[in-house]
Amino acid sequence: EAQVTQNPRYLITVTGKKLTVTCSQNMNHEYMSWYRQDPGLGLRQIYYSMNVEVTDKGDVPEGYKVSRKEKRNFPLILESPSPNQTSLYFCASRLSGEETQYFGPGTRLLVL
Amino acid sequence: AQTVTQSQPEMSVQEAETVTLSCTYDTSESNYYLFWYKQPPSRQMILVIRQEAYKQQNATENRFSVNFQKAAKSFSLKISDSQLGDTAMYFCAFGITGTASKLTFGTGTRLQVTL
Repeated sequence: EAQVTQNPRYLITVTGKKLTVTCSQNMNHEYMSWYRQDPGLGLRQIYYSMNVEVTDKGDVPEGYKVSRKEKRNFPLILESPSPNQTSLYFCASRLSGEETQYFGPGTRLLVL
Repeated sequence: AQTVTQSQPEMSVQEAETVTLSCTYDTSESNYYLFWYKQPPSRQMILVIRQEAYKQQNATENRFSVNFQKAAKSFSLKISDSQLGDTAMYFCAFGITGTASKLTFGTGTRLQVTL
């Protein structure tokens, strides 16, 4: 089944404790993105990647890192999480030449 | 910069009735796509319908259709024969053709379908 998967789905952590949210897609998509969703703000792009080893900042990149060592994986790294990073996070992917993005199931993060 | 505005935070419709959700956007680009995504209580983002800006014909998908007014920069979603399963948050989104995967989202409209 073609899909985007994220792990973990739920995470409670404390301020300053490094964490990684994984994202994987099995559709051979070139483009991948991370978004965060906050009440009243919709979804905002954090980082994106156009292919392996090619990443760039989105609208709200502060406090986040990403890497793209393999085409299928695009992990989101929070090196020192803070309470303002409490949010719902989505990974998405799309095929080059196609405009529709496919979203993962979301990761709900609570930073205490 | 692109902006997407959904001016209806919440709407309600009775089962089997028709409802229209509004979306306006602002851009200076000429080649772009518009989308409606549905987010049910499970939080999954589900593509409902998409519209290419270069196409004059309005997109339709079963009970879902759009009214795309390019000059007015308006992109409304009409849901016909509403069903209880349509209860969800609906997001309008904008993407520039060929750019690096960024979608600009509106703030969403929460739709409640009642008996």
